[in-house]
Amino acid sequence: EVQLVETGGGLIHPGGSLRLSCAASGFTVSNNYMSWVRQAPGKGLEWVSVIYSGGRTYYADSVKGRFSISRDSSNNTLYLQMNSLRAEDTAVYYCATSPNDGNWGQGTLVTVSS
Amino acid sequence: DIQMTQSPSTLSASVGDRVTITCRASQTIGSWLAWYQQKPGKAPKVLIYKASSLKSGVPLRFSGSGSGTEFTLTISSLQPDDFASYYCQRYNGDSETFGQGTKLEIK
Repeated sequence: EVQLVETGGGLIHPGGSLRLSCAASGFTVSNNYMSWVRQAPGKGLEWVSVIYSGGRTYYADSVKGRFSISRDSSNNTLYLQMNSLRAEDTAVYYCATSPNDGNWGQGTLVTVSS
Repeated sequence: DIQMTQSPSTLSASVGDRVTITCRASQTIGSWLAWYQQKPGKAPKVLIYKASSLKSGVPLRFSGSGSGTEFTLTISSLQPDDFASYYCQRYNGDSETFGQGTKLEIK
């Protein structure tokens, strides 16, 4: 059974950094397309970043230069390094596989506030 | 970047109604479009991928169609469990934009 579990969210001051983790089971992260999607309180879904099996990465303009997606084969985990955080980054962050497979984690809440 | 425009933003309907939600891409995206259902406090759930492929376990009353720049999600006969928010998403590219969402409400 495929499972995705996000951790690492919390309260952080503006300008701070946070690293989110997405531990996967039931499939191999490095062999798959993986993405991060966020949802601000009361708002719609916003795509954040994607990493393809071959290693190509892409980012939404709103996070380009501040966020970095990566993966670790040894522990089958996807990461999102978030730097220079802003109030508008406050959201629930989800990791997900390709829509062709359709697996999502439960989400982790990041709150950026002074 | 390719923009995804979803309409309507809100839809009021009754149990048993047939409803259609539209998603338009600013450039052609082939068939790389997914549809999601989301209920409050829950992660989104994929209904349709590759524009018209029904995800395993999703009821047959859901269907997707289209290619290029115009796509639709149709629910043939609304059930009480279908009142939720729906999103389209372009994927398998360099920006995997979501539509703005459609909130399906009970009339």
